[in-house]
Order: sequence, then structure tokens, then C-alpha cells
Amino acid sequence: AQSVTQLGSHVSVSEGALVLLRCNYSSSVPPYLFWYVQYPNQGLQLLLKYTSAATLVKGINGFEAEFKKSETSFHLTKPSAHMSDAAEYFCAVSDGGGYQKVTFGIGTKLQVIP
Amino acid sequence: GAVVSQHPSRVICKSGTSVKIECRSLDFQATTMFWYRQFPKQSLMLMATSNEGSKATYEQGVEKDKFLINHASLTLSTLTVTSAHPEDSSFYICSASDGWNTEAFFGQGTRLTVV
Repeated sequence: AQSVTQLGSHVSVSEGALVLLRCNYSSSVPPYLFWYVQYPNQGLQLLLKYTSAATLVKGINGFEAEFKKSETSFHLTKPSAHMSDAAEYFCAVSDGGGYQKVTFGIGTKLQVIP
Repeated sequence: GAVVSQHPSRVICKSGTSVKIECRSLDFQATTMFWYRQFPKQSLMLMATSNEGSKATYEQGVEKDKFLINHASLTLSTLTVTSAHPEDSSFYICSASDGWNTEAFFGQGTRLTVV
């Protein structure tokens, strides 16, 4: 069975600082991996996805994530945090491809301090 | 991206009553819709997958007679929580896709409180 672990339910960074949100996955087959963002009172929005192509994936709003098979990790980064990045971020995994049976992590709430 | 509208965003109901949540794809045909719920401080958990015109496929541990899912058209799926109890209070969110291997777009979610 697939699963994801997000380390840190709350992360605080200063505006302009590096954002690093951690995600480790477990999957019996090569996975699809996703990062979603949820702003208050809104639905989930796909930030980026890994689908077995390039290991460094660039997404929207300046975010990127690197798939590291040896570490079973898919950490999300952004070089410089903006106030508008404050939101909840979910890492997710889909076993064997496709968007069905997506398993989500618990979520990480990002706070950006001015 | 495509737009999925979920209604209502919040609902409070009395224990024993039923509540219907709607999920609409506004600008694409959703052949597949997914329903999730999220309890406080927990992950989003997939409840069921529905394909237009077919019976929904429920995940293990989800009572299909309690959580009725109807996907009668390519733009609308509904989740009815029947005989709701306080333990059903949760955040319910839907997503919709126009194919097996295409992105699923999420609705805004529904916060259900059963009193």
C-alpha cells in the first residue's frame, strides 16, 4: 500500500527565506507524486507533479520538487517565500500511475512571517 | 485550470437527518469523480470513486448505504450522508477528472457539522 509522510504539520519561515516542506513516500511500484496547495476556504490546487520523467519538477508560483528514489523523498522548495505562499500544502502519491487512488499526507501549514 | 464547484461550503444538520453535497464540473465533462473526507489533524481519505452512469466504488471501511453517491451526469455528482451522526462531522471534498490519466480538479470542500 502507498503512503506519504509529511514532516512538520506547521512550518514558519520569514518572508524572503527558503521554503522547504518535507515529504517521504512509500510505494510498491513507481509512483506518481504530487504537491497540492489549499488556500483558506478554497479547494486544492495542483502545484506540481512527478510522473517518472525528469526528477526535478518545476511547478507554479516558483515552487519545485525533486524526486529522490534512494531517499524515497519528494521535498517541496521555493527559494524565497512570499506572504501569499501562506497556505496548507499536501503531498500525495498515486500507486502505479494515474490520478485514481491518490493517498494524501496530513498536510503542512506554512506560515510566512513579515 | 478547470473549475469544480462544491456546494454547500458549510452545513450544520441535526443528528438523524440526511445531508446532500453537490459537486459540479463547470467547464469540462467529468467522467470520474472522487469523494474524500478529512477529519481534524488527519489526511484526506478517499471514500469512493464514481464513474458517470455507473455505481460508485467504495473504499474499504466506507459504508455505501450511509454515504450515497450519485453520478448521473457528466457534470454532477452528489454525496448524501444519510442518518448523520456527530461522528460524521468532517470536511468532505470532491475532485473531478475527464479521464483516468488526467489531472483531477478539486472543489472547495464542505464542512459538515452534525449536532
